[in-house]
Amino acid sequence: GEDVEQSLFLSVREGDSSVINCTYTDSSSTYLYWYKQEPGAGLQLLTYIFSNMDMKQDQRLTVLLNKKDKHLSLRIADTQTGDSAIYFCAEIMNSGNTPLVFGKGTRLSVIA
Amino acid sequence: NAGVTQTPKFRVLKTGQSMTLLCAQDMNHEYMYWYRQDPGMGLRLIHYSVGEGTTAKGEVPDGYNVSRLKKQNFLLGLESAAPSQTSVYFCASSYSERLPGLGYEQYFGPGTRLTVT
Repeated sequence: GEDVEQSLFLSVREGDSSVINCTYTDSSSTYLYWYKQEPGAGLQLLTYIFSNMDMKQDQRLTVLLNKKDKHLSLRIADTQTGDSAIYFCAEIMNSGNTPLVFGKGTRLSVIA
Repeated sequence: NAGVTQTPKFRVLKTGQSMTLLCAQDMNHEYMYWYRQDPGMGLRLIHYSVGEGTTAKGEVPDGYNVSRLKKQNFLLGLESAAPSQTSVYFCASSYSERLPGLGYEQYFGPGTRLTVT
């Protein structure tokens, strides 16, 4: 079955790097996503990675994918208070014509 | 473009009352989804639609019905609300095909906070 797991909480100091981890079970996942949810708002896509990639970098964000261990991570460099939010990992399988499967979300708290 | 909009933003219902949540998107997306979000549970898919006139059950469909009479609208109905349906409801939409350079991004609405007393 499909399952995406994340730790529920992470607390970091402003200026430090944050690393949010995710594990998934379905090896046929084609795309893996990171969404961000700010308080009182809907989800916004932060970044995604295709399953044939190991790494993707986008400004302060670095996504690492270890297909062998089915492990995905999101690193936020120089974490700011504005990065405080819930971060969701999600996967989609095969052709993509299926709904995303979301993890429960990791609440990132940034301490000034 | 407004993107994905949801109405209402907030609602309080008494047990047994009914209501309909409306989701609208102006991006010509084929796929639309309804999720509920509860503390510690993440997002759970209620129902989804892969095109006008079609719907399918998600992970937690019981107590809800949906309709997709027009491509741009996806309605979520609660026929007899229960306190267990107190939640924040999110609608999302996406293309059915992967666009060049993109994945299968889902675009989310701002949410509807529903309380059932």
